[in-house]
Amino acid sequence: DAGITQSPRHKVTETGTPVTLRCHQTENHRYMYWYRQDPGHGLRLIHYSYGVKDTDKGEVSDGYSVSRSKTEDFLLTLESATSSQTSVYFCAISATGGREKLFFGSGTQLSVL
Amino acid sequence: KQEVTQIPAALSVPEGENLVLNCSFTDSAIYNLQWFRQDPGKGLTSLLLIQSSQREQTSGRLNASLDKSSGRSTLYIAASQPGDSATYLCAQGGSEKLVFGKGTKLTVNP
Repeated sequence: DAGITQSPRHKVTETGTPVTLRCHQTENHRYMYWYRQDPGHGLRLIHYSYGVKDTDKGEVSDGYSVSRSKTEDFLLTLESATSSQTSVYFCAISATGGREKLFFGSGTQLSVL
Repeated sequence: KQEVTQIPAALSVPEGENLVLNCSFTDSAIYNLQWFRQDPGKGLTSLLLIQSSQREQTSGRLNASLDKSSGRSTLYIAASQPGDSATYLCAQGGSEKLVFGKGTKLTVNP
């Protein structure tokens, strides 16, 4: 299994609170992704990174920011959490972007009350 | 906008049946088509990747095909087992990212 660790695994927070989710990889892959998964919407890309300090937006980036200061770590921040951001968040990695297999972490269940 | 569609959303079959899951995509300029499996409460596991230059890929009882001209891919599961019960997602691969379908939830009944 690809070495991907997401933390925390579960989090409950209140509306308006900042939240940071962490993804850590041990594969030295160039690409890292944050997805959210919701019933009826499937998997939607939030942000992705193609190298240290190189990031780009996905289809549902509003309300989210990311940072990647090291190859192995990709952080997702909700600056001011809203109830609509209650979801399961998945991190994924790939060596060469969409051209090779994508490997997923186990997910973070986030509840915003 | 690239779109990936999977029909049906759910499928229930008796154990031992051979079955086909369908995936259609709108962008013929794809790099690859990937199939994933997701068990409840878990992340996605990569099953098969078909490069755009290939027609099919096989792994054990799984066979995935790709027809770029029609914008379709199928995942064939032979001799289904209860352990195959899961949600199966397909994704169209671009140069940097994938576009996912919403998945087909498969239930194999003993």
